[in-house]
Amino acid sequence: EAQVTQNPRYLITVTGKKLTVTCSQNMNHEYMSWYRQDPGLGLRQIYYSMNVEVTDKGDVPEGYKVSRKEKRNFPLILESPSPNQTSLYFCASSFGGSLQETQYFGPGTRLLVL
Amino acid sequence: AQSVTQLGSHVSVSEGALVLLRCNYSSSVPPYLFWYVQYPNQGLQLLLKYTSAATLVKGINGFEAEFKKSETSFHLTKPSAHMSDAAEYFCAVSGIGGGFKTIFGAGTRLFVKA
Repeated sequence: EAQVTQNPRYLITVTGKKLTVTCSQNMNHEYMSWYRQDPGLGLRQIYYSMNVEVTDKGDVPEGYKVSRKEKRNFPLILESPSPNQTSLYFCASSFGGSLQETQYFGPGTRLLVL
Repeated sequence: AQSVTQLGSHVSVSEGALVLLRCNYSSSVPPYLFWYVQYPNQGLQLLLKYTSAATLVKGINGFEAEFKKSETSFHLTKPSAHMSDAAEYFCAVSGIGGGFKTIFGAGTRLFVKA
């Protein structure tokens, strides 16, 4: 089954404790992206990647890191999480870097930073 | 700043009534436009997209949207609401301001009354 998977689905952590949220897709997509969803703000793009070893900042990259060492994986790293990073996070992928491509979303990771 | 505006954070309609969800974007160059739907506790999935072909775009589940360049709008409609349409709807654009960012609106939650 073609899908985007994220792990963990739910995470509670404390301020300053490094964490990684994994994202993997099995569709051989080139483009991958991370979003955070907050009430009243919709989805805001954190980082995106056009291909392996190619990443770029979205609108809200502060406090996050990403890497793209393999085509299928695009982990999101929070080096020192803070309470304002409490949010619902979505990973998405699309076939190519074309702007008209449909993005396929993972099920989401709900993060609470205490 | 480039933006996407969805008018109305909540819309309530009766079952069988017309659904109209509004989306306006700010860009001097027509971008690529999308409507995504998010059902409770799920990721987003594509309803329809405009990619500079026909201005009236038909999507899944009976939804359609019309791109109006003069109004910079891409409103989503469905002639007859069904209970299963209750969800949150997001308008998104890509191609604004160059680059490969995607910008989402804040979302409109649709309630359908029996």
